[in-house]
Amino acid sequence: QSALTQPASVSGSPGQSITISCTGTSSDVGAYNYVSWYQQHPGKAPKLLIYDVSNRPSGVSNRFSGSKSGNTASLTISGLQAEDEAYYYCSSYTTTSPLDYVFGTGTKVTVL
Amino acid sequence: EVQLVETGGGLIQPGGSLRLSCAASGFTVSTYYMTWVRQAPGRGLEWVSLIYSGGDTYYADSVRGRFTISRDNSKNTLYLQMHSLRAEDTAVYYCARGGDYFQRHACTVWGQGTTVTVSS
Repeated sequence: QSALTQPASVSGSPGQSITISCTGTSSDVGAYNYVSWYQQHPGKAPKLLIYDVSNRPSGVSNRFSGSKSGNTASLTISGLQAEDEAYYYCSSYTTTSPLDYVFGTGTKVTVL
Repeated sequence: EVQLVETGGGLIQPGGSLRLSCAASGFTVSTYYMTWVRQAPGRGLEWVSLIYSGGDTYYADSVRGRFTISRDNSKNTLYLQMHSLRAEDTAVYYCARGGDYFQRHACTVWGQGTTVTVSS
């Protein structure tokens, strides 16, 4: 099972908005609304930011939002802050993995 | 408080075996899907194994036949038994829990991770 494709890095200045893409296929991202996004700071465990494409768990800032179009899901961070500098991973339910789920390749967000 | 605590990592020689444990508190492991996710040094996240509440188990191709996921309901603990370890199994291993019904396709709770190093 191939990983979902994310850009290796995205950067922005404080206060700006950035968008991270997550491209899959018609067997995963395109087929199901079960895309999740995770934030991971260095040396820390991942943290769930978005589930089912666009839903935020309680406690997650509304500066994080998710969407999907076709085989590509997106995570947008608005009002970029220094603490947003981290790695971000998407994940999707899939019919082509023996594990039912697949991660994206990961994106490093740098706050300039 | 809902919490997962992994233990059992360490330095092991190639070909060796290791058992990771993930002790859960604040919920019952048998009522959620539980999973092991690993992260090799400087690399991304990789699903390793998953066990559904009904007991069905699944494995990544890279570990099938060598790793076994299980749970002990009496101890409320998840395990990952690893055999025939290889250098490429070196990683931080995270235990994670699936969400409640409306978040069931996401991992809502994560442990802090335990490091496995396979080297001679």
